[in-house]
Amino acid sequence: DQQVKQNSPSLSVQEGRISILNCDYTNSMFDYFLWYKKYPAEGPTFLISISSIKDKNEDGRFTVFLNKSAKHLSLHIVPSQPGDSAVYFCAASDGGTGGFKTIFGAGTRLFVKA
Amino acid sequence: NAGVMQNPRHLVRRRGQEARLRCSPMKGHSHVYWYRQLPEEGLKFMVYLQKENIIDESGMPKERFSAEFPKEGPSILRIQQVVRGDSAAYFCASSPGVQSQPQHFGDGTRLSIL
Repeated sequence: DQQVKQNSPSLSVQEGRISILNCDYTNSMFDYFLWYKKYPAEGPTFLISISSIKDKNEDGRFTVFLNKSAKHLSLHIVPSQPGDSAVYFCAASDGGTGGFKTIFGAGTRLFVKA
Repeated sequence: NAGVMQNPRHLVRRRGQEARLRCSPMKGHSHVYWYRQLPEEGLKFMVYLQKENIIDESGMPKERFSAEFPKEGPSILRIQQVVRGDSAAYFCASSPGVQSQPQHFGDGTRLSIL
């Protein structure tokens, strides 16, 4: 049962343009969402998060949008840089500000072309 | 390096042997989580531990897998009588508290079963 889905296995974007990564979830109890970035042979690194009481959170070039009615969130990276090339995981949890069980999507591999 | 430390980075075992994966959490963190990543898949939650306690092991296979986090020393994920299907990357994460996000990840142990 995939509670967190990232339907695009990969995405290719030109340097300087916007990258949009999408994520859908099915569990309406999720109230905290995170994006992690992962380079090969390394562990995931936290990128940005959003609580369900918000619909947008911005940190520099990264913005996460949450649409609770559609159970959908997206990560926007603008402008995209070659160093952004990595696998991006969407994750969700319930229990206030988090919870001990975090559910991850399968990831989207982003390629940023110079 | 005050991050989450996992060792070994790579572990090769023959079918039927035992595998022991170690994880030292970040300084000040007393909560440890183990995840497994199969090829082309996301991270699957396995177990959540605090010092000397297993809090949630709902993601652990019922047989051959066990985890501990003793009062002194690292957390250990133990796989007995390994099979080829155990080949995966195993990631450990830590946090300072049960309701604390984000989790901080180590670089993983890549387990290969011959």
